[in-house]
Amino acid sequence: GAGVSQSPSNKVTEKGKDVELRCDPISGHTALYWYRQRLGQGLEFLIYFQGNSAPDKSGLPSDRFSAERTGESVSTLTIQRTQQEDSAVYLCASSANPTGFNEKLFFGSGTQLSVL
Amino acid sequence: GQNIDQPTEMTATEGAIVQINCTYQTSGFNGLFWYQQHAGEAPTFLSYNVLDGLEEKGRFSSFLSRSKGYSYLLLKELQMKDSASYLCAVGGYSTLTFGKGTMLLVSP
Repeated sequence: GAGVSQSPSNKVTEKGKDVELRCDPISGHTALYWYRQRLGQGLEFLIYFQGNSAPDKSGLPSDRFSAERTGESVSTLTIQRTQQEDSAVYLCASSANPTGFNEKLFFGSGTQLSVL
Repeated sequence: GQNIDQPTEMTATEGAIVQINCTYQTSGFNGLFWYQQHAGEAPTFLSYNVLDGLEEKGRFSSFLSRSKGYSYLLLKELQMKDSASYLCAVGGYSTLTFGKGTMLLVSP
């Protein structure tokens, strides 16, 4: 596609439920990132995928968070047993650089997650 | 780890020049990025510095001093549409760490 696509754009869920967020990166981009942005805050790194390498999961806040990526395409971020503190915008970004990340990131529009 | 500091808010008037500063401490450095984020939208790339000095791109310029752990974004001839959050981000060994952003309000 022309840009990074995320779905759903908005998700309202009840505390304790599981949610799955999807990201379609720009075709051909080998690097994919997930960030979280709480209201009025900066971007908090969650996880980074680069080609077939093991992902960098150092930013995942707890074991309730997990992410997968199929090859160099779609990624899903799963949050189990959601808590109210998980409410945030979840942003996905991709970049073309195969050896690092000193290429600009292209962001999707994000998924606004609200946990009631 | 990474630690990035930038002012929370700034105000300026249309047509003026504004400089947004960013200081950082990092365990690894692979470049300094600036992104613009309008309210409710995704961040968009503005500039990238990996060597010391000034990079100019139209109305926007970005400066880097690696020895001082310091960067600034300079916006000239401010327009109302420049009202946005400006995010400083530092590249480490494998991740890009963002500051909390500087909210710039441009008034007539």
